Amino acid sequence: GQNIDQPTEMTATEGAIVQINCTYQTSGFNGLFWYQQHAGEAPTFLSYNVLDGLEEKGRFSSFLSRSKGYSYLLLKELQMKDSASYLCAVRDKSGNTPLVFGKGTRLSVIA
Amino acid sequence: DTGVSQDPRHKITKRGQNVTFRCDPISEHNRLYWYRQTLGQGPEFLTYFQNEAQLEKSRLLSDRFSAERPKGSFSTLEIQRTEQGDSAMYLCASSLASQPSVYTFGSGTRLTVV
Repeated sequence: GQNIDQPTEMTATEGAIVQINCTYQTSGFNGLFWYQQHAGEAPTFLSYNVLDGLEEKGRFSSFLSRSKGYSYLLLKELQMKDSASYLCAVRDKSGNTPLVFGKGTRLSVIA
Repeated sequence: DTGVSQDPRHKITKRGQNVTFRCDPISEHNRLYWYRQTLGQGPEFLTYFQNEAQLEKSRLLSDRFSAERPKGSFSTLEIQRTEQGDSAMYLCASSLASQPSVYTFGSGTRLTVV
């Protein structure tokens, strides 16, 4: 089976740092992806990890530990426009398989 | 290229009617995916194509659902005998074969079955 867990909601203050965690149990693993989805809009690709470690991309970083089945998305210098849902998705076999998405974490950035 | 286009944006239908949605992917993307999303949930995989070939179909997809991509360009998703439980946002995404999991999503078709 496949199970992807992430917190349902988080709140953070403008200018702060927030970490959104994702744990997964899947039959195989071939990459973990993060997507951002603003309310009423389509998801957009943020980052992906295939190997253990941290991938940095501007204000956003993503970390992966394959042995722990764990990833996090780190958002620095939060801005109001970062208020959105953040979807963790796993590619569980080869590159040909479609992504399996978690339920998403709704982040609210407050002043 | 204007990205992934979906039509219609909204569809309200009566239970038991058939509906068809269209997706036009980014022209150079040979992979096309259909997902369904309900409020507070992540996208749920339905089916996907590589060029005109339908390579995988979710076991959750009943026989009432069918998808085509006849010329390897646009795709259609048809739902027959709609039920209230089919109410959802239907998302189409496309990707390059070289980056199969970097999806570009369309804005979706919101289906309401009354």
